[in-house]
Amino acid sequence: SQQGEEDPQALSIQEGENATMNCSYKTSINNLQWYRQNSGRGLVHLILIRSNEREKHSGRLRVTLDTSKKSSSLLITASRAADTASYFCATLSGSARQLTFGSGTQLTVLP
Amino acid sequence: SAVISQKPSRDICQRGTSLTIQCQVDSQVTMMFWYRQQPGQSLTLIATANQGSEATYESGFVIDKFPISRPNLTFSTLTVSNMSPEDSSIYLCSVEIRGAGELFFGEGSRLTVL
Repeated sequence: SQQGEEDPQALSIQEGENATMNCSYKTSINNLQWYRQNSGRGLVHLILIRSNEREKHSGRLRVTLDTSKKSSSLLITASRAADTASYFCATLSGSARQLTFGSGTQLTVLP
Repeated sequence: SAVISQKPSRDICQRGTSLTIQCQVDSQVTMMFWYRQQPGQSLTLIATANQGSEATYESGFVIDKFPISRPNLTFSTLTVSNMSPEDSSIYLCSVEIRGAGELFFGEGSRLTVL
């Protein structure tokens, strides 16, 4: 079953703008990860943030984690048309070795 | 990282038939998983493929419908048995390498059942 709910479900922005996607989850986690899926392709891992971290950066990506609110956000700065994809958060909890994926956000970056 | 090859990449099948999807990894991995992604939906874990023993299935998935083999640390198969149109999905193989839960995915196998 899905642990995370993401919003918005769909987001359309102009190239150069920033895109923010949010993820909420239900149970305590070990870490939270963000993945990207281009249409018809497999998923690509973007970034992992541990439960004791609050913010992490990777290139144009910025991820925040608020464990008290059980939520995370992914910010993509200076977006490009190539960033058009679906973005999923995924959580790793307890002793489980498998990820539970959120519902995803479809991002469209218009040139 | 890992290179994960899935075959077939897509197929169109008739109701009642079965299809086996192969997943080949270019390195030995401990953890290997099979996910299903129904049209427009997120990923749902089907099972963890265990080397040398029976797969561990998630709630709602059973071995008779989705038999899985994992003869070694680089290869696994997922069979979708007695298919119906509701089985039309993308089936994704994934592996964990670094022990932190970060997954690498194959390109997926897009299955359409008529």
